[in-house]
Amino acid sequence: DVKVTQSSRYLVKRTGEKVFLECVQDMDHENMFWYRQDPGLGLRLIYFSYDVKMKEKGDIPEGYSVSREKKERFSLILESASTNQTSMYLCASIKRLDYEQYFGPGTRLTVT
Amino acid sequence: AQSVTQPDIHITVSEGASLELRCNYSYGATPYLFWYVQSPGQGLQLLLKYFSGDTLVQGIKGFEAEFKRSQSSFNLRKPSVHWSDAAEYFCAVVAGAGNKLTFGGGTRVLVKP
Repeated sequence: DVKVTQSSRYLVKRTGEKVFLECVQDMDHENMFWYRQDPGLGLRLIYFSYDVKMKEKGDIPEGYSVSREKKERFSLILESASTNQTSMYLCASIKRLDYEQYFGPGTRLTVT
Repeated sequence: AQSVTQPDIHITVSEGASLELRCNYSYGATPYLFWYVQSPGQGLQLLLKYFSGDTLVQGIKGFEAEFKRSQSSFNLRKPSVHWSDAAEYFCAVVAGAGNKLTFGGGTRVLVKP
């Protein structure tokens, strides 16, 4: 069974803090993704990575950065958290030539 | 650019009644289409997918979806809903390099006893 885990289910941070969200997958998938989920907007792609140390901007990268130092781990970084980044964050992974993405349980981030 | 529209934000159905969730997509090439379900507090789980071939696809939990190219639609159906089907449902299309997904806004389904 593919497993995608995220470091926290719930997180509360203050405005201006640096925030790290971690995602780990155990199926040797090449591609990994970070989405944010907001009511009525569905999931929107923030960043994705198709290999170690490689990253590509998604549809809404502003205010975020990512890091992929190991194949199994993909981190989302909020350099200076703002209240408009309060959201649910979902990580996903996929084998390079496949199409079915596997999702983690999500991290609900609240920035106060 | 590709897009996915789910016209219904909320749907309420009675347990045992049929359910249909609408999905329309905009994509130039042959689409690869998906339906995902998100139960409360959970991540997304794949219900079914369409790549090619038979336009009626069967998925898990008794769901099916029909691809209609002429209508650019991929509607999800279930003949008889169970209380456990209360969840949010997302339609998605593969778009672009890296097998990125574009999602619709989601439809939240409430099931009345």
